[in-house]
Amino acid sequence: QVQLQESGPGLVKPSETLSLTCTVSGGSISRYYWSWIRQSPGKGLEWIGSVYYSGTTFYNPSLESRLTISVAMTSNEFSLRLSSVTAADTAVYYCARDLYCTSVTCYNPRAFEIWGQGTMVAVSS
Amino acid sequence: QSVLTQPPSVSGAPGQRVTISCTGSGSNIGADYGIHWYQHLPGAAPRLLIYGDTNRPSGVPDRFSGSKSGTSASLAITGLQAEDEADYYCQSYDRSLSSYVFGTGTKVTVL
Repeated sequence: QVQLQESGPGLVKPSETLSLTCTVSGGSISRYYWSWIRQSPGKGLEWIGSVYYSGTTFYNPSLESRLTISVAMTSNEFSLRLSSVTAADTAVYYCARDLYCTSVTCYNPRAFEIWGQGTMVAVSS
Repeated sequence: QSVLTQPPSVSGAPGQRVTISCTGSGSNIGADYGIHWYQHLPGAAPRLLIYGDTNRPSGVPDRFSGSKSGTSASLAITGLQAEDEADYYCQSYDRSLSSYVFGTGTKVTVL
């Protein structure tokens, strides 16, 4: 059974870079899309961006200028880096495996099929 | 503010049927992008309930069903149970924003 686990600092200072890693266990990172989603306190879910196992990335345009998502196949991990953070970036950050195709068909857009438990990141001095 | 609008809350007694709407526009649902639904319990990871408008992943009870028409979609929960009390989100893609988008979220309360 595939499981995802987010890891990284729970506190980041304003203007610094937020860095998180998602470790995939019970399955390979190959042949899948992987995503980051966040939920700010009291708000809804927000898609941050996605990466294909080959390294191709897809970013939320509202975050793209500050965002880097990468994949490390040898360690079965993918990562998020968000620069120049402010208090507005305080949120629970989730990593997820995308559902793109089944044996029957492919889906547009992809769904987020398997999620990590999430990790709270606060931006504060 | 999200481009997919959901009612803030719905409620029902155990055993009843409730529906949650997800209203979009011609740049998302109306552009024939698929709809997915998630259940989010406090402190837990969101759970995929419905994908591709109407499909249930393995393990999701058939009490949950999805539909889509025009620029809107709906999630129905029949035979409401106490364990269904959670937040529910729809999700699609918006071509004007060039972004995956989630709905505003609906809190389901079991009376």
